[in-house]
Amino acid sequence: NAGVTQTPKFQVLKTGQSMTLQCAQDMNHNSMYWYRQDPGMGLRLIYYSASEGTTDKGEVPNGYNVSRLNKREFSLRLESAAPSQTSVYFCASSESTGGHYEQYFGPGTRLTVT
Amino acid sequence: QKEVEQNSGPLSVPEGAIASLNCTYSDRVSQSFFWYRQYSGKSPELIMSIYSNGDKEDGRFTAQLNKASQYVSLLIRDSQPSDSATYLCAVKTWAGSYQLTFGKGTKLSVIP
Repeated sequence: NAGVTQTPKFQVLKTGQSMTLQCAQDMNHNSMYWYRQDPGMGLRLIYYSASEGTTDKGEVPNGYNVSRLNKREFSLRLESAAPSQTSVYFCASSESTGGHYEQYFGPGTRLTVT
Repeated sequence: QKEVEQNSGPLSVPEGAIASLNCTYSDRVSQSFFWYRQYSGKSPELIMSIYSNGDKEDGRFTAQLNKASQYVSLLIRDSQPSDSATYLCAVKTWAGSYQLTFGKGTKLSVIP
């Protein structure tokens, strides 16, 4: 099992460009998440999908959109990239949002916006 | 705002010593607690979870939970240079749905 996979691994964008980060999991998990990690700020939740067909905002959703394409895939879109979105983006999945279910992380996408 | 606090470190311990990592949280009703290890440039890796008061041991790792004091810790016995990483404490909190709130991490350096 690959677990959680993310593409691309690295990306450089110019201000105003758009892109989509892709995430897929093969653990048959119901819930998926997008985080960003910045130095000194820790991991912050951008959006999550508790189950297929639902998405909800996390702590820092501004400037992002998401799509839960099916049970396996959850994408994050930057419509008009800004330098403040330079960060490392992690996708994660879990069997459920509640209970004691643990989250498992993908390898991350390192995004630079110039 | 639910908060999870960790000492940022760096925490330096000699090889073979016990490393003690601490975390406090503000949400009194939290029930699930996790420790992740993150090597530089890599993603967080789950190493321990704990749900009940007391100790939970897994190999060289022991997680300790005290819900009354809102305190969770991670002990690493016989520390190895390969344990050098940032350790993230995560607490499952309720914010309209269950979400993981992460501390900013403690950087551990094990000195050979």
